[in-house]
Amino acid sequence: SQTIHQWPATLVQPVGSPLSLECTVEGTSNPNLYWYRQAAGRGLQLLFYSVGIGQISSEVPQNLSASRPQDRQFILSSKKLLLSDSGFYLCAWSVGQTTDTQYFGPGTRLTVL
Amino acid sequence: KNEVEQSPQNLTAQEGEFITINCSYSVGISALHWLQQHPGGGIVSLFMLSSGKKKHGRLIATINIQEKHSSLHITASHPRDSAVYICAVMVNNDMRFGAGTRLTVKP
Repeated sequence: SQTIHQWPATLVQPVGSPLSLECTVEGTSNPNLYWYRQAAGRGLQLLFYSVGIGQISSEVPQNLSASRPQDRQFILSSKKLLLSDSGFYLCAWSVGQTTDTQYFGPGTRLTVL
Repeated sequence: KNEVEQSPQNLTAQEGEFITINCSYSVGISALHWLQQHPGGGIVSLFMLSSGKKKHGRLIATINIQEKHSSLHITASHPRDSAVYICAVMVNNDMRFGAGTRLTVKP
């Protein structure tokens, strides 16, 4: 069966520090991968999606970046965190089209102080 | 005006009641998702619809493409159904979300 892992589960970082969140999927090949953010008092927002290794599409401009170094690994990064980067970050995967059912990871709660 | 509107924002029900959550959208979509977010933040995808109706256990989701409207129904609601229910639409490869409906089911 397929499983999706995210770590860390919670993170507290100072403003200006770097960020690296990791997401891995097991039990499937060539999944579509997604990064979402849910900021306090705001809804979910799609940040990045990837249809394959090295292929990243960005939906909104921000100081975050994403990389997909391996088929089932998706990394969300920042060189310098802002206060506004605080939120709940979710990774998800789907098979095939982006319209297919997506399966979400447990999420990482990031607090930037 | 948001492209995806959900109603109601908050809903309190007694156990056993029939629940309906509505989602209206103003853009052309390729699919619509209903998501369930539990208090801890974890999200589960309930349905993905492009037409018609789907049923899973006590949950039923319908979509009317012409009217740009979808509904999520919960029959015989239970306290464990308490969560935030989020409607999300696919526009090309972009996913746009409603603000969510917070459902509380009291025993």
